[in-house]
Amino acid sequence: QSALTQPASVSGSPGQSITIPCTGTSSDVGGYNYVSWYQQHPGKVPKLMIYDVSKRPSGVSNRFSGSKSGNTASLIISGLQAEDEADYYCCSYAYSGTSFVVFGGGTKLTVL
Amino acid sequence: QLQLQESGPGLLRPSETLSLTCTVSGASVISGSDHWGWIRQPPGKGLEWIGSMHYSGATNYSPSLKSRVTMSMDTSKNQLFLKVTSVTAADTAAYYCARDRGGGTSDVWGKGTTVTVSS
Repeated sequence: QSALTQPASVSGSPGQSITIPCTGTSSDVGGYNYVSWYQQHPGKVPKLMIYDVSKRPSGVSNRFSGSKSGNTASLIISGLQAEDEADYYCCSYAYSGTSFVVFGGGTKLTVL
Repeated sequence: QLQLQESGPGLLRPSETLSLTCTVSGASVISGSDHWGWIRQPPGKGLEWIGSMHYSGATNYSPSLKSRVTMSMDTSKNQLFLKVTSVTAADTAAYYCARDRGGGTSDVWGKGTTVTVSS
């Protein structure tokens, strides 16, 4: 199976909004509302930020939101803060004769 | 408070079998619809889903790893197990166990354990 496609890097200034796209296929992102996003700071454990495309776990800032259109899901971070600088991974349920899960390659967010 | 802790040998030689244990505390692995999964991350690289398991015995594996991976659990000890056969240097990674609420939503992760494959 192929990994979901994410840009290697994005950047933004404090206070700005950024969007990280995650492109898959109709067998994963486009076919199911099971897209999740993870934040990972260097040397740390990944943290769930968004699940089921647009739901936020308790404790996650409402500056983080998610959406999906067709085969592309997006993570939107508004009011960028220095602490948002991290790697972000999208993840999707997939089915192609068998059920599995696929991650994106990851996007490095730099807060300028 | 749910916590997961991975354990296992840190160093393996090529062709050996990797065996990891994940000890779950604060919740039972026999928990409704929850699955329990394994995810790995090679040094400096991205996350890779390995597979997940439900206490009923149902398992789902990554198509690219399916031929070498086996997941199991001991519900009496609240432990999960991962075996990967015929390891190579490409299996060198940090290995995480996590609770999967469904659809790949891993909401609680262990701290991870590092496995190095080297001759």
